[in-house]
Amino acid sequence: DAGVTQSPTHLIKTRGQQVTLRCSPKSGHDTVSWYQQALGQGPQFIFQYYEEEERQRGNFPDRFSGHQFPNYSSELNVNALLLGDSALYLCASSPEIRQNLYGYTFGSGTRLTVV
Amino acid sequence: DAKTTQPPSMDCAEGRAANLPCNHSTISGNEYVYWYRQIHSQGPQYIIHGLKNNETNEMASLIITEDRKSSTLILPHATLRDTAVYYCIVNNQGGSEKLVFGKGTKLTVNP
Repeated sequence: DAGVTQSPTHLIKTRGQQVTLRCSPKSGHDTVSWYQQALGQGPQFIFQYYEEEERQRGNFPDRFSGHQFPNYSSELNVNALLLGDSALYLCASSPEIRQNLYGYTFGSGTRLTVV
Repeated sequence: DAKTTQPPSMDCAEGRAANLPCNHSTISGNEYVYWYRQIHSQGPQYIIHGLKNNETNEMASLIITEDRKSSTLILPHATLRDTAVYYCIVNNQGGSEKLVFGKGTKLTVNP
């Protein structure tokens, strides 16, 4: 049973560019959340998608946007990249109703480096 | 901000029990205690969670104090592969609440 898959695994972008990261949730999961993890810090919540709608959002600027598709996969888009956007971006999925029974399943992340 | 406090680092000898403490003195009645761990270069992995009773699964045991203001994650026989950052998180019941991570405890299991 495939878990959460993220692509690409590593990415280097130039300041000011735009980037799209992709996530396929675990089979049977319909809720996708995105987290940003700076070096040495815990993951920080960006936003969560359910039924193709953004349901919750953390304290991130509008440069960070997302999308969820009918097959539950999701994209994270970041515009006008800053050096400070360099981080590990994690995708987590869960079954919406039963989150508290099994916890979230995380992917291995996309390492984004902005130069 | 995270609602939990954990020591930044701990060491444990291989084969011995690792006891990781967590303080969550402001936890409310409908909040669960969750534990995740993150092995280097991987995403966080769910370990266990509980409300007020002690819990055990194939990975670990969770001991929650009677007043629910603190808890301890126990890895009964630590191995080198248990070296990781361990996060204690409080999270509301129901729905799919966001996880608020602190800095966690870096556990190093030594041979």
